Amino acid sequence: RKEVEQDPGPFNVPEGATVAFNCTYSNSASQSFFWYRQDCRKEPKLLMSVYSSGNEDGRFTAQLNRASQYISLLIRDSKLSDSATYLCVVNQPGTYKYIFGTGTRLKVLA
Amino acid sequence: GAVVSQHPSWVICKSGTSVKIECRSLDFQATTMFWYRQFPKQSLMLMATSNEGSKATYEQGVEKDKFLINHASLTLSTLTVTSAHPEDSSFYICSALGPNAEAFFGQGTRLTVV
Repeated sequence: RKEVEQDPGPFNVPEGATVAFNCTYSNSASQSFFWYRQDCRKEPKLLMSVYSSGNEDGRFTAQLNRASQYISLLIRDSKLSDSATYLCVVNQPGTYKYIFGTGTRLKVLA
Repeated sequence: GAVVSQHPSWVICKSGTSVKIECRSLDFQATTMFWYRQFPKQSLMLMATSNEGSKATYEQGVEKDKFLINHASLTLSTLTVTSAHPEDSSFYICSALGPNAEAFFGQGTRLTVV
């Protein structure tokens, strides 16, 4: 089983749609969780950290389910500019080493 | 967010030569930086952890004599790909830990070995 698994997509959605991505992780002792966004041939950029209580930043909502070992990202009112690859990131327990999923591609269509 | 600058953004070199990539944290001090490699359509793979003032720690399968890492100051880490070969062609990215343990990435270096 991969340490961090994501559906590679692509998810093709119309503008204005709501889309959700899930990510599962294998090590229950992981403590830090993030969503990053990566545009084609660019470096990843931090989208948001994920907290146990869930957190929201504008149109983006992240949730963590420790019991089932998955995190989710919800994007509401999708914009064309949201088109990118979304990377799920989990720390190696007890370290600041981050393990990346392969990413989920999102295409928002006009 | 914090700013991490990586240089060069792209480089083409001949097989057998060495290439140095720099990673700088511009507005914060980073005692720990990380070097990743990303092949097309794959996830970022951690290569090594760079620790200021001490030796880097390498992930399994990464040759420390081929990928030399130096972290001489709190704001600079360098990765030197020695005797580069075409299979080393990849996207190399550094990151530094921010104040809340989130990782901030450099712009990446696209290395092509011909």
